[in-house]
Amino acid sequence: EAGVTQFPSHSVIEKGQTVTLRCDPISGHDNLYWYRRVMGKEIKFLLHFVKESKQDESGMPNNRFLAERTGGTYSTLKVQPAELEDSGVYFCASSHLGTAGNTIYFGEGSWLTVV
Amino acid sequence: AQSVSQHNHHVILSEAASLELGCNYSYGGTVNLFWYVQYPGQHLQLLLKYFSGDPLVKGIKGFEAEFIKSKFSFNLRKPSVQWSDTAEYFCAVNGYTGGFKTIFGAGTRLFVKA
Repeated sequence: EAGVTQFPSHSVIEKGQTVTLRCDPISGHDNLYWYRRVMGKEIKFLLHFVKESKQDESGMPNNRFLAERTGGTYSTLKVQPAELEDSGVYFCASSHLGTAGNTIYFGEGSWLTVV
Repeated sequence: AQSVSQHNHHVILSEAASLELGCNYSYGGTVNLFWYVQYPGQHLQLLLKYFSGDPLVKGIKGFEAEFIKSKFSFNLRKPSVQWSDTAEYFCAVNGYTGGFKTIFGAGTRLFVKA
């Protein structure tokens, strides 16, 4: 079974540019999450999709961040325009829909550096 | 507010030493608890998890954790660490109250000296 895959693995962009990160969850997983870790700090929740619907986007930093999950399969996270403080590792995770033991499985992360 | 607190940010041990990493959480209602590990250059992996039942859970690679409800704690232990346990360890919690949004601690970097 393929795991959660993320693309690109690394991205270096200039301040003001746009970056789009992609996540392909484990097949059959309706829950999809985006997390971010800024250097040395905790892994912070950004948002949660259930299928194609945004269940919780309380962690999105501001309106420069836009996440979509068309068709309830893969998801994209766009940062436009990027700022220096957006640098960090963006993790995607997925899990089965259900109420018991919601274990989430992570991708390898997309390292974003804004210069 | 929902939160997870990991007591140590950096731990250095010699091989064969015993390990205990502290984790305390604040989360209303029934919780699920996890420890994730990230080895150098690799992605986050599940080490062990607690949902219900025996509060002492065993995970991969000889790790175990004990859920103490009265203390809101879920400490990770290993009797004898190896050099290959060098990694960053994250405690995490989720539950129905929070819509199963998983909250992570800041992580503990463990370095094991050979």
